[in-house]
Amino acid sequence: QVQLQESGPGLVKPSETLSLTCTVSGGSVSSGSYYWSWIRQPPGKGLEWIGYIYYSGSTNYNPSLKSRVTISVDTSKNQFSLKLSSVTAADTAVYYCASGTPGYMDVWGKGTTVTVSS
Amino acid sequence: VIWMTQSPSLLSASTGDRVTISCRMSQGISSYLAWYQQKPGKAPELLIYAASTLQSGVPSRFSGSGSGTDFTLTISCLQSEDFATYYCQQYYSFPWTFGQGTKVEIK
Repeated sequence: QVQLQESGPGLVKPSETLSLTCTVSGGSVSSGSYYWSWIRQPPGKGLEWIGYIYYSGSTNYNPSLKSRVTISVDTSKNQFSLKLSSVTAADTAVYYCASGTPGYMDVWGKGTTVTVSS
Repeated sequence: VIWMTQSPSLLSASTGDRVTISCRMSQGISSYLAWYQQKPGKAPELLIYAASTLQSGVPSRFSGSGSGTDFTLTISCLQSEDFATYYCQQYYSFPWTFGQGTKVEIK
Protein backbone atom coordinates (compact mmCIF):
# COMPACT_ATOMS: atom_id res chain seq x y z
CA GLN A 1 0.00 0.00 0.00
CA VAL A 2 1.43 3.35 -1.08
CA GLN A 3 2.01 5.89 1.67
CA LEU A 4 2.81 9.57 1.19
CA GLN A 5 4.48 12.14 3.43
CA GLU A 6 4.76 15.85 2.74
CA SER A 7 7.70 17.89 3.96
CA GLY A 8 8.94 21.45 3.63
CA PRO A 9 9.03 24.84 5.33
CA GLY A 10 5.95 25.84 7.28
CA LEU A 11 6.57 29.53 6.80
CA VAL A 12 7.33 31.31 3.53
CA LYS A 13 7.78 35.03 2.97
CA PRO A 14 5.60 36.90 0.46
CA SER A 15 7.03 36.99 -3.08
CA GLU A 16 9.26 33.97 -2.38
CA THR A 17 8.91 30.41 -3.66
CA LEU A 18 7.10 27.72 -1.74
CA SER A 19 8.84 24.33 -2.06
CA LEU A 20 7.36 21.06 -0.83
CA THR A 21 8.37 17.44 -1.26
CA CYS A 22 6.27 14.30 -1.09
CA THR A 23 8.10 11.10 -0.18
CA VAL A 24 6.56 7.90 -1.49
CA SER A 25 6.83 4.61 0.39
CA GLY A 26 5.34 1.23 -0.44
CA GLY A 27 5.42 2.05 -4.12
CA SER A 28 7.47 3.73 -6.82
CA VAL A 29 7.08 7.12 -8.45
CA SER A 30 8.31 5.36 -11.58
CA SER A 31 5.23 3.17 -11.62
CA GLY A 32 2.97 3.74 -14.57
CA SER A 33 0.03 2.91 -12.35
CA TYR A 34 -0.18 6.24 -10.57
CA TYR A 35 -0.57 9.92 -11.15
CA TRP A 36 1.03 12.08 -8.46
CA SER A 37 -0.96 15.15 -7.45
CA TRP A 38 -0.85 18.19 -5.23
CA ILE A 39 -4.02 19.63 -3.68
CA ARG A 40 -4.39 22.50 -1.24
CA GLN A 41 -6.98 23.69 1.26
CA PRO A 42 -6.97 27.27 2.61
CA PRO A 43 -7.99 27.59 6.27
CA GLY A 44 -11.71 26.87 6.67
CA LYS A 45 -12.22 26.46 2.94
CA GLY A 46 -12.58 23.75 0.32
CA LEU A 47 -10.14 21.76 -1.77
CA GLU A 48 -8.26 23.04 -4.83
CA TRP A 49 -6.42 20.72 -7.20
CA ILE A 50 -3.01 22.21 -8.10
CA GLY A 51 -1.73 19.71 -10.64
CA TYR A 52 -0.20 16.30 -11.25
CA ILE A 53 2.84 14.63 -12.70
CA TYR A 54 3.03 11.23 -14.34
CA TYR A 55 6.13 9.03 -14.09
CA SER A 56 7.03 9.96 -17.66
CA GLY A 57 7.37 13.57 -16.55
CA SER A 58 4.20 14.78 -18.21
CA THR A 59 2.33 17.32 -16.14
CA ASN A 60 -1.01 19.03 -15.97
CA TYR A 61 -1.61 22.16 -13.93
CA ASN A 62 -4.63 24.13 -12.78
CA PRO A 63 -4.78 27.17 -15.10
CA SER A 64 -5.44 29.40 -12.09
CA LEU A 65 -1.91 28.60 -10.85
CA LYS A 66 -0.16 27.45 -14.01
CA SER A 67 2.12 30.47 -14.41
CA ARG A 68 3.54 29.93 -10.90
CA VAL A 69 3.58 26.14 -10.48
CA THR A 70 6.15 23.49 -11.22
CA ILE A 71 5.73 19.83 -10.25
CA SER A 72 8.70 17.53 -10.72
CA VAL A 73 9.70 13.98 -9.87
CA ASP A 74 12.95 12.58 -8.49
CA THR A 75 13.01 8.86 -9.17
CA SER A 76 16.33 8.36 -7.34
CA LYS A 77 14.75 9.56 -4.09
CA ASN A 78 11.25 8.23 -4.83
CA GLN A 79 9.85 11.71 -4.35
CA PHE A 80 7.87 14.30 -6.21
CA SER A 81 7.90 18.01 -5.51
CA LEU A 82 5.89 21.20 -5.76
CA LYS A 83 7.24 24.68 -6.35
CA LEU A 84 4.92 27.70 -6.23
CA SER A 85 6.53 31.02 -6.98
CA SER A 86 5.65 34.59 -6.03
CA VAL A 87 3.50 33.53 -3.10
CA THR A 88 1.06 35.80 -1.31
CA ALA A 89 -1.10 35.40 1.78
CA ALA A 90 -3.73 33.79 -0.48
CA ASP A 91 -1.40 30.80 -0.85
CA THR A 92 -1.60 30.05 2.88
CA ALA A 93 -3.10 26.58 3.08
CA VAL A 94 -2.71 22.96 4.02
CA TYR A 95 -0.94 21.30 1.10
CA TYR A 96 -1.61 17.64 0.38
CA CYS A 97 0.15 15.25 -1.94
CA ALA A 98 -1.93 12.40 -3.31
CA SER A 99 -1.79 9.54 -5.75
CA GLY A 100 -4.31 7.77 -7.89
CA THR A 101 -5.52 7.01 -11.35
CA PRO A 102 -5.97 9.83 -13.83
CA GLY A 103 -8.87 11.45 -12.09
CA TYR A 104 -9.58 10.48 -8.55
CA MET A 105 -7.06 10.25 -5.72
CA ASP A 106 -7.14 7.20 -3.48
CA VAL A 107 -4.07 7.78 -1.33
CA TRP A 108 -3.36 11.07 0.43
CA GLY A 109 -0.58 12.33 2.62
CA LYS A 110 -1.46 13.80 6.00
CA GLY A 111 -0.92 17.33 4.74
CA THR A 112 1.45 20.10 5.70
CA THR A 113 0.50 23.63 6.70
CA VAL A 114 2.20 26.47 4.86
CA THR A 115 1.79 30.02 6.05
CA VAL A 116 2.82 32.96 3.89
CA SER A 117 3.86 35.84 6.10
CA SER A 118 6.74 38.22 6.57
CA VAL B 1 -13.92 25.13 -16.09
CA ILE B 2 -16.71 22.91 -14.80
CA TRP B 3 -18.51 24.48 -11.87
CA MET B 4 -20.02 22.32 -9.19
CA THR B 5 -22.88 23.11 -6.85
CA GLN B 6 -23.01 20.92 -3.79
CA SER B 7 -26.04 21.00 -1.51
CA PRO B 8 -26.80 21.40 1.24
CA SER B 9 -23.75 23.18 2.68
CA LEU B 10 -24.76 22.04 6.16
CA LEU B 11 -26.83 19.03 7.08
CA SER B 12 -27.99 18.33 10.63
CA ALA B 13 -28.84 14.70 11.22
CA SER B 14 -29.09 12.04 13.87
CA THR B 15 -27.43 8.66 14.13
CA GLY B 16 -29.47 6.16 12.15
CA ASP B 17 -30.79 8.73 9.68
CA ARG B 18 -30.63 8.32 5.93
CA VAL B 19 -28.88 11.32 4.44
CA THR B 20 -28.49 12.52 0.87
CA ILE B 21 -26.00 15.01 -0.53
CA SER B 22 -26.35 16.45 -4.02
CA CYS B 23 -23.73 17.57 -6.49
CA ARG B 24 -24.78 19.33 -9.67
CA MET B 25 -22.43 20.12 -12.58
CA SER B 26 -22.43 23.12 -14.90
CA GLN B 27 -22.10 20.67 -17.80
CA GLY B 28 -22.32 16.93 -18.32
CA ILE B 29 -19.45 14.81 -17.02
CA SER B 30 -20.71 11.30 -17.77
CA SER B 31 -19.77 9.33 -14.63
CA TYR B 32 -16.41 10.95 -13.94
CA LEU B 33 -17.23 11.85 -10.34
CA ALA B 34 -15.68 10.97 -6.99
CA TRP B 35 -16.80 11.53 -3.41
CA TYR B 36 -14.49 12.12 -0.44
CA GLN B 37 -14.96 12.30 3.32
CA GLN B 38 -12.86 14.66 5.41
CA LYS B 39 -12.72 14.80 9.18
CA PRO B 40 -11.31 17.82 11.04
CA GLY B 41 -7.55 18.02 10.84
CA LYS B 42 -7.33 15.01 8.55
CA ALA B 43 -6.76 14.43 4.86
CA PRO B 44 -9.72 13.59 2.64
CA GLU B 45 -10.47 9.91 2.08
CA LEU B 46 -11.89 8.49 -1.13
CA LEU B 47 -15.33 6.96 -0.72
CA ILE B 48 -16.67 6.51 -4.24
CA TYR B 49 -15.35 6.86 -7.78
CA ALA B 50 -16.94 6.58 -11.20
CA ALA B 51 -20.07 8.02 -9.57
CA SER B 52 -21.16 4.75 -7.98
CA THR B 53 -18.17 2.45 -7.38
CA LEU B 54 -17.40 1.97 -3.71
CA GLN B 55 -13.71 2.27 -2.84
CA SER B 56 -12.28 -0.84 -1.20
CA GLY B 57 -12.82 -0.85 2.55
CA VAL B 58 -15.61 1.74 2.54
CA PRO B 59 -18.75 0.57 4.38
CA SER B 60 -21.69 -0.43 2.22
CA ARG B 61 -23.96 2.15 3.88
CA PHE B 62 -22.33 4.64 1.51
CA SER B 63 -23.60 4.70 -2.05
CA GLY B 64 -23.38 7.00 -5.03
CA SER B 65 -25.63 7.51 -8.02
CA GLY B 66 -26.14 9.75 -11.01
CA SER B 67 -24.60 10.59 -14.35
CA GLY B 68 -24.40 13.60 -16.60
CA THR B 69 -24.99 16.63 -14.43
CA ASP B 70 -26.73 15.37 -11.28
CA PHE B 71 -25.15 13.14 -8.66
CA THR B 72 -26.02 11.97 -5.19
CA LEU B 73 -24.15 10.55 -2.22
CA THR B 74 -26.36 8.60 0.17
CA ILE B 75 -25.53 7.33 3.64
CA SER B 76 -28.20 4.78 4.42
CA CYS B 77 -27.85 4.65 8.20
CA LEU B 78 -25.71 7.42 9.64
CA GLN B 79 -23.12 6.28 12.18
CA SER B 80 -21.25 8.43 14.69
CA GLU B 81 -18.05 8.16 12.67
CA ASP B 82 -19.81 9.59 9.59
CA PHE B 83 -20.08 13.10 10.99
CA ALA B 84 -17.64 14.88 8.69
CA THR B 85 -17.45 17.06 5.60
CA TYR B 86 -18.08 15.50 2.21
CA TYR B 87 -16.76 16.72 -1.14
CA CYS B 88 -17.57 15.76 -4.69
CA GLN B 89 -14.90 16.02 -7.38
CA GLN B 90 -15.18 15.89 -11.16
CA TYR B 91 -12.42 14.48 -13.31
CA TYR B 92 -14.09 14.69 -16.68
CA SER B 93 -12.05 17.68 -17.76
CA PHE B 94 -9.18 19.83 -16.57
CA PRO B 95 -8.88 21.45 -14.17
CA TRP B 96 -10.22 18.81 -11.83
CA THR B 97 -12.57 20.61 -9.48
CA PHE B 98 -14.21 19.99 -6.13
CA GLY B 99 -17.58 20.95 -4.77
CA GLN B 100 -17.62 23.40 -1.87
CA GLY B 101 -18.35 20.68 0.65
CA THR B 102 -21.25 19.49 2.81
CA LYS B 103 -20.75 19.36 6.55
CA VAL B 104 -22.80 16.66 8.24
CA GLU B 105 -23.28 17.59 11.88
CA ILE B 106 -25.03 16.04 14.83
CA LYS B 107 -28.60 17.26 15.19
